[in-house]
Amino acid sequence: EAGVAQSPRYKIIEKRQSVAFWCNPISGHATLYWYQQILGQGPKLLIQFQNNGVVDDSQLPKDRFSAERLKGVDSTLKIQPAKLEDSAVYLCASSFLGHTGAEAFFGQGTRLTVV
Amino acid sequence: EDKVVQSPLSLVVHEGDTVTLNCSYEVTNFRSLLWYKQEKKAPTFLFMLTSSGIEKKSGRLSSILDKKELFSILNITATQTGDSAVYLCAVEPERGAQKLVFGQGTRLTINP
Repeated sequence: EAGVAQSPRYKIIEKRQSVAFWCNPISGHATLYWYQQILGQGPKLLIQFQNNGVVDDSQLPKDRFSAERLKGVDSTLKIQPAKLEDSAVYLCASSFLGHTGAEAFFGQGTRLTVV
Repeated sequence: EDKVVQSPLSLVVHEGDTVTLNCSYEVTNFRSLLWYKQEKKAPTFLFMLTSSGIEKKSGRLSSILDKKELFSILNITATQTGDSAVYLCAVEPERGAQKLVFGQGTRLTINP
């Protein structure tokens, strides 16, 4: 079974530039999560989708971050414009609808460095 | 605000030692507590705990939950260099939410 796919693996941009990350969840997983993990901290949930609808985006900085999952499958997370403090690993995870967060599978993440 | 706190933040031991990692939490409701191992980027699932006092065990790793005192411990016996990683504790704060609140992690280093 293929896992959660993310790209790119690494990205370096200058502050005020834009960046987008892509995630393809495990086939059949209706729930998709984007987490931000700053160095030395645990992952923080940015947004949670069920199919193409947003369940929770309470911690998403909406002035600069946006995410979509138009067809209920893959998802993109965008930052525009980026700030230095956005440097982090962005983790995507997915799970079957109705399953607990414990059964979420994580992708390898995208390491973003903003200089 | 839901909160998960892990201690210590960092731990360095020698191969063969036994270690205990701690996780305490404050959440409005509680569904489950989970432990993950993070070696590079993707956290990998270790245990899920929902009931107090019942030890979960997998090889040299074991974990137990105390819902009265709101904490959990993760034990690793006879540590090996391959156990070096960040260990994350997370809580599922309410039934149906399907989301996780993570602690800051404990960075464990096992020296040969």
